[in-house]
Amino acid sequence: DVKVTQSSRYLVKRTGEKVFLECVQDMDHENMFWYRQDPGLGLRLIYFSYDVKMKEKGDIPEGYSVSREKKERFSLILESASTNQTSMYLCASSSVGQVYGYTFGSGTRLTVV
Amino acid sequence: RKEVEQDPGPFNVPEGATVAFNCTYSNSASQSFFWYRQDCRKEPKLLMSVYSSGNEDGRFTAQLNRASQYISLLIRDSKLSDSATYLCVVMEAAGNKLTFGGGTRVLVKP
Repeated sequence: DVKVTQSSRYLVKRTGEKVFLECVQDMDHENMFWYRQDPGLGLRLIYFSYDVKMKEKGDIPEGYSVSREKKERFSLILESASTNQTSMYLCASSSVGQVYGYTFGSGTRLTVV
Repeated sequence: RKEVEQDPGPFNVPEGATVAFNCTYSNSASQSFFWYRQDCRKEPKLLMSVYSSGNEDGRFTAQLNRASQYISLLIRDSKLSDSATYLCVVMEAAGNKLTFGGGTRVLVKP
């Protein structure tokens, strides 16, 4: 069964901490994405990557960075966590030319206190 | 204006009834359209793609109206298990980036 695995289901961090959210996919997908989901705002794209070592800003990249050193792994980094980054974070992947069917991870619910 | 807009609901639907709801999108160059389903505290999962000619998958029917820039989803003979949030999703002409609507919540009740 193909999978996108996010390292933590729930995470609590303090304001100012550096936070790493990890995502690993086993489908050999080229494309990987990080979204955050908030009530009333839906899913918003933070960053995405079409290849190893490649990254593109999404709609709300401020306060975040990403790393893609290996094809299967896409990390989201909160350089200095703030309370407004409390959210559900969803990682997704897809293959090139696949015009549908993002596979999502089960999400990480991050609370910044 | 949001790129993809949906009525958040909830749509309260008696079991066995039919429910339909729409989604509007602002980018006329959008290329592909989908409905995703998201259960409470779960990740979104692809329900169906939406084709220009309209398409059906069991009790679910999706329609696309490019002229008016909206897509629709109709659920027939609603089941309790259809209770979920339905996300309208649009792909732009360039790249594989998807834009999600805020979701329409459907509650099917006995």
